[in-house]
Amino acid sequence: EIQLVESGGGLVQPGGSLRLSCVASGFTFSDYWMKWVRQAPGKGLECVADIREDGGKTYYADSVKGRFTISRDNARNSLSLQMNSLRVEDTAVYYCLPPGAASYWGQGTPVTVYS
Amino acid sequence: QAVVTQEPSLTVSPGGTVTLTCGSSAGAVTSGHYPHWFQQKPGQVPKTLIYDTNNRHSWTPARFSASLLGGKAALTLSGAQPEDEADYYCLLYHRGVGVEFGGGTRLTVL
Repeated sequence: EIQLVESGGGLVQPGGSLRLSCVASGFTFSDYWMKWVRQAPGKGLECVADIREDGGKTYYADSVKGRFTISRDNARNSLSLQMNSLRVEDTAVYYCLPPGAASYWGQGTPVTVYS
Repeated sequence: QAVVTQEPSLTVSPGGTVTLTCGSSAGAVTSGHYPHWFQQKPGQVPKTLIYDTNNRHSWTPARFSASLLGGKAALTLSGAQPEDEADYYCLLYHRGVGVEFGGGTRLTVL
């Protein structure tokens, strides 16, 4: 069974940093693009970053470019998101999500940036 | 970045049929955009209904089907049930640009 477990969220002040992690199981992690998706309270879904299977290519939403860094460790089946210079508008639940047949959702990890 | 468009809201009668669409500002949606469809009910985590244009997951009811229609990705619900009332999001992969979600469609069964 495919499982995705996100962690690392929490409360932080503007300008602070957090590092999110996602551990995947039940599928061949190294075969899939992976992305971080977020959902702000009462809002829709937004893809903030995604990364190629081998980690050699990344994409970022304009809203996080230069502040967030996505990375992966295929040996550990893990995905990370380093979030720096956090803003109030980064407040959201963050999910990691593979595509295609592996497109399962974990419970997400909440991030709250408060002033 | 490309903009992905969905109807903001739709209403369907119980037992009725409704089609949700997903378009791209970059042009016609094709299978190369690997359209995905997600369902989210209030207070719940999203759930993937459809991946790669028209593939259902094991938990996706057969009343949901998906296709490409008139240059857009389309999700058709045939025989709507009260429990289908939810927000529906599509996702498209744009080569060289990344992944974009649509703004979502709020479906009311009434």
